[in-house]
Amino acid sequence: KAGVTQTPRYLIKTRGQQVTLSCSPISGHRSVSWYQQTPGQGLQFLFEYFSETQRNKGNFPGRFSGRQFSNSRSEMNVSTLELGDSALYLCASQGGAITDTQYFGPGTRLTVL
Amino acid sequence: QQQVKQSPQSLIVQKGGISIINCAYENTAFDYFPWYQQFPGKGPALLIAIRPDVSEKKEGRFTISFNKSAKQFSLHIMDSQPGDSATYFCAASGQGGALNFGKGTSLLVTP
Repeated sequence: KAGVTQTPRYLIKTRGQQVTLSCSPISGHRSVSWYQQTPGQGLQFLFEYFSETQRNKGNFPGRFSGRQFSNSRSEMNVSTLELGDSALYLCASQGGAITDTQYFGPGTRLTVL
Repeated sequence: QQQVKQSPQSLIVQKGGISIINCAYENTAFDYFPWYQQFPGKGPALLIAIRPDVSEKKEGRFTISFNKSAKQFSLHIMDSQPGDSATYFCAASGQGGALNFGKGTSLLVTP
């Protein structure tokens, strides 16, 4: 099976802009979670989508949003970018049961100038 | 606040030695404890995981030891190899599914 794919792999934006990141989960997986990874804060959970519905949400401002499509592909959007949003954004694919293993994609490196 | 505390932040081990990374948690609702390995430019990859009904799990050179009463768990890498040089993250989750990660340990195995 192909693994989790994320596009684009690298992105450079300026403050105030918005950005959309995409994630395609492993075939057959219905859950997608998003994490932000920074040197200072480490890996932090953003949100999880299952069957097009947000099932869980982390402690991030409303500028961070996401959605999931009927084919389980997911997008996350960050509006009004801030310098502190520079990070590696990771998508994790999961079978569907909350107890299933999460498999991570390679991430999208976002740089905000 | 950080729900999972990981130590040490960095570790240097000679080839053939044992690498030990420790994690502690507070939330007694956590029931799943995975370890992830991350190489530069890659996403984290699941290494090994344990649930609290067992005190130890071994897979090849990797062993998780789990102490439920102390709310601690650790990763032991036996016969460490230069190819094991990576960043290791412990994590914990409850029924909610979201993984709470430790800050990571940068492991360097010297030849």
